[in-house]
Amino acid sequence: NAGVTQTPKFQVLKTGQSMTLQCAQDMNHEYMSWYRQDPGMGLRLIHYSVGAGITDQGEVPNGYNVSRSTTEDFPLRLLSAAPSQTSVYFCASSREDNSPLHFGNGTRLTVT
Amino acid sequence: GQSLEQPSEVTAVEGAIVQINCTYQTSGFYGLSWYQQHDGGAPTFLSYNALDGLEETGRFSSFLSRSDSYGYLLLQELQMKDSASYFCAFPNRDDKIIFGKGTRLHILP
Repeated sequence: NAGVTQTPKFQVLKTGQSMTLQCAQDMNHEYMSWYRQDPGMGLRLIHYSVGAGITDQGEVPNGYNVSRSTTEDFPLRLLSAAPSQTSVYFCASSREDNSPLHFGNGTRLTVT
Repeated sequence: GQSLEQPSEVTAVEGAIVQINCTYQTSGFYGLSWYQQHDGGAPTFLSYNALDGLEETGRFSSFLSRSDSYGYLLLQELQMKDSASYFCAFPNRDDKIIFGKGTRLHILP
């Protein structure tokens, strides 16, 4: 049972480049979410989804897009990377919104 | 709005007991969760309180008082491996799961 799988683990981008962070879960969880973690800021919610075809904005959505075409996958797209998006990104899933979150191992992104 | 407040750092001695507090503000309350995160790792779920009172899981316990908008995580018989960051979190009425900024627990031998 793989749980939540995030790729890549590390990524370096130049300002203005775009990329997609991949997230997949094999637990048939309806709820999926993306967080970014910066020193002293805790985990801040970027976007989330309560099921396939449904997405919504979190606390810090600007500069990011998401889609949820299947239950398993929830990719996060950076449209035009900025140094302020340098962070560690975590994808998480749960059975429902107040069930325990299962986190992926994170993607460490650096934008130069 | 919704927010959670917790101390940024707590220090305790190996073998002792430590309490990490969390106060929250929200218009709709659906339970309080706790997560542990070791350096370089991913957060992992520890406990969840939907109702007032104490929930115990081994050396870890979590307490909730909805009337005081307050909860805490209690760690007993501290071990060096408990050195980590601890986060309280809750889902709000819009299905968003919001986290506090985390408490870094330092354990002294």
